[in-house]
Amino acid sequence: EVQLVESGGGLVKQGGSLRLSCAASGFLFSDYSMSWVRQAPGRGLEWVSSISSGGSSIDYADSLKGRFTISRDNAQNSLYLQVSSLRAEDTAVYYCAREKSYYDILTGHQTYYFDHWGQGILLTVSS
Amino acid sequence: QSALTQPASVSGSPGQSITISCTGTSSDVDAFENVSWYQKHPGKAPKLMIYAVTKRPSGISNRFSGSKSGNTASLTISGLQVEDEADYFCYSYAGSGVFGGGTKVTVL
Repeated sequence: EVQLVESGGGLVKQGGSLRLSCAASGFLFSDYSMSWVRQAPGRGLEWVSSISSGGSSIDYADSLKGRFTISRDNAQNSLYLQVSSLRAEDTAVYYCAREKSYYDILTGHQTYYFDHWGQGILLTVSS
Repeated sequence: QSALTQPASVSGSPGQSITISCTGTSSDVDAFENVSWYQKHPGKAPKLMIYAVTKRPSGISNRFSGSKSGNTASLTISGLQVEDEADYFCYSYAGSGVFGGGTKVTVL
């Protein structure tokens, strides 16, 4: 059974830093791209960042570049998100998600989606 | 990256069908071959309902279906049930990821 368990959240002061972790089990972690998605209180889902299976390809939401760093340790089956220069608006539940791809041979299109999610971890930034 | 616009809310009575739209502002066709849909109940993790516009993962009821026309993707829920009451988000990836703003589905 695929399991994703986030940890490392909590209460942090504005301007502070924290590292979120996601422990994966039940699948070959090194075969999959992984992502972080967050949801601020009362708001919708926001894609944060993705990292390829080997870690060589990384993307960030434009608004978060420079403050957030995604990484992974395939030997430890773990995904990380280093968050720094935290602002009140970074307060959110952060989810890690396994990314899958699907290639449609009829259209030639490659699509990406999230097939498994962790339960999320709350990060609260105080002023 | 295209922004994705969803209606804030959609409602229906048990047994009815409802459709949630997801409209992109970009003419990037590839982005709209990439649409997936997620159901989110409060306090729970998001759940994949549809991927690649029309495909349903194993274990998802066939009451849920996806479609696309031009730059608008849609999620239809047929035979609406009480447990379908949740927030629904569309997602697309074309260089970077973006979620729609979400639609609250209410079962009357």
